[in-house]
This record gives sequence, structure tokens and C-alpha cells, in this order.
Amino acid sequence: DTAVSQTPKYLVTQMGNDKSIKCEQNLGHDTMYWYKQDSKKFLKIMFSYNNKELIINETVPNRFSPKSPDKAHLNLHINSLELGDSAVYFCASSLQSGVETQYFGPGTRLLVL
Amino acid sequence: QQPVQSPQAVILREGEDAVINCSSSKALYSVHWYRQKHGEAPVFLMILLKGGEQKGHDKISASFNEKKQQSSLYLTASQLSYSGTYFCGTEPPGNQFYFGTGTSLTVIP
Repeated sequence: DTAVSQTPKYLVTQMGNDKSIKCEQNLGHDTMYWYKQDSKKFLKIMFSYNNKELIINETVPNRFSPKSPDKAHLNLHINSLELGDSAVYFCASSLQSGVETQYFGPGTRLLVL
Repeated sequence: QQPVQSPQAVILREGEDAVINCSSSKALYSVHWYRQKHGEAPVFLMILLKGGEQKGHDKISASFNEKKQQSSLYLTASQLSYSGTYFCGTEPPGNQFYFGTGTSLTVIP
């Protein structure tokens, strides 16, 4: 069984569109994360969600919004997609934040044309 | 707030050793190390929770100097399978988790 899963694996879309990426973890973890990895391989935290507390990286545009229907899911919605949003987006989860191992999903490769 | 890693990239021959350093401008309370192979997700290597702590498995180990706000990852007798990008990471209290700038390691035969 996959511990952290993401869908879709690949996403190609036009500028201006709205899209969502889904993430599910079956590890019973309390904390989930979204990361963006650009072409230079930098892994940048976008959001972390722990026990209904959302921590937002202040540099993330408000076109990005996380939605957590329950503890096992943290979906990422992106409005009005821009060329610069092209990247690999990783979801991850951990038992709690800070000192626990993070388990990553396989990533979603987003290409905005 | 992102920890800085050095070197940015390193190429080794099989059997050689390497050291990857991670430095933070903020106090480090824990340091994580992850490895990401090309086209894959990052995978956990180890966590160091206390200053002075050293950990390791196989031929990969790490140390944590809390006072210097640094951590180092040691790869001994490198194997082809060690190739990838290595990231340190930390979560300062009251802040989010931050990964370091990454170090690309390539092991050649």
C-alpha cells in the first residue's frame, strides 16, 4: 500500500486555468505539507497543516490554497495558473511537525503552457 | 531562513569519501537529512536531535554541532547508489520546516 499518494502524476495545462492536486496519506499522521521544487531543485515549503492549524509560507501567492477535508487528505488548489507555477509539487506527511520523519508522495509534475 | 549547504555539487569515484555541510543563520534544534534520486521523491536518511549527536547507518553518518548551527553528512566509500541530491532540513521553533539549498552528488565508476 502506498503511504503517501498524489494525483495526478503529470498535469499539463494552459495559463489562466484553475487546477487541483490531491494528496492522501494512510499513515495516520497529524501533519501534512506541500512543497514546490523548481528547475534548480530547491525544495520550498508552501504550506504545513497540523491539527487544523494551517501555516502558510508568506511568499506563496494567494492563488494557491490548501484544502483539508480530513486528517488524511490535503489537496492543493491553484487558481489562474502562471508560467512560473511550472514545477514539481510534493506532498508529504509526518507524525508531528519538526522532529519526525517526513514521508513524501511521488510528486506531481505541473507544466503550464 | 533556508539553511545553506556546501558544496553545491560534487563528483566522486566509487570508493571515495565525501562530506556535505549544512549551515543555518538561525539556531538549529534538530537537523534532518534526505536524499533525492533523479526523478524521485526525497527519502529520509536520518534525524539528529541534540547538539553533539552523531548518527549513522551503513557508510553514511552525520554530526550536529548545535553551537555552530551546523551539521555535516559523511559518506564513506561511496557507491554508485549514493548518487542524488542531498538535503538537510530544520524547523526552527515557531517556524515552518525549511530544506537546505541541496548538494548534488554524483558517483562515477
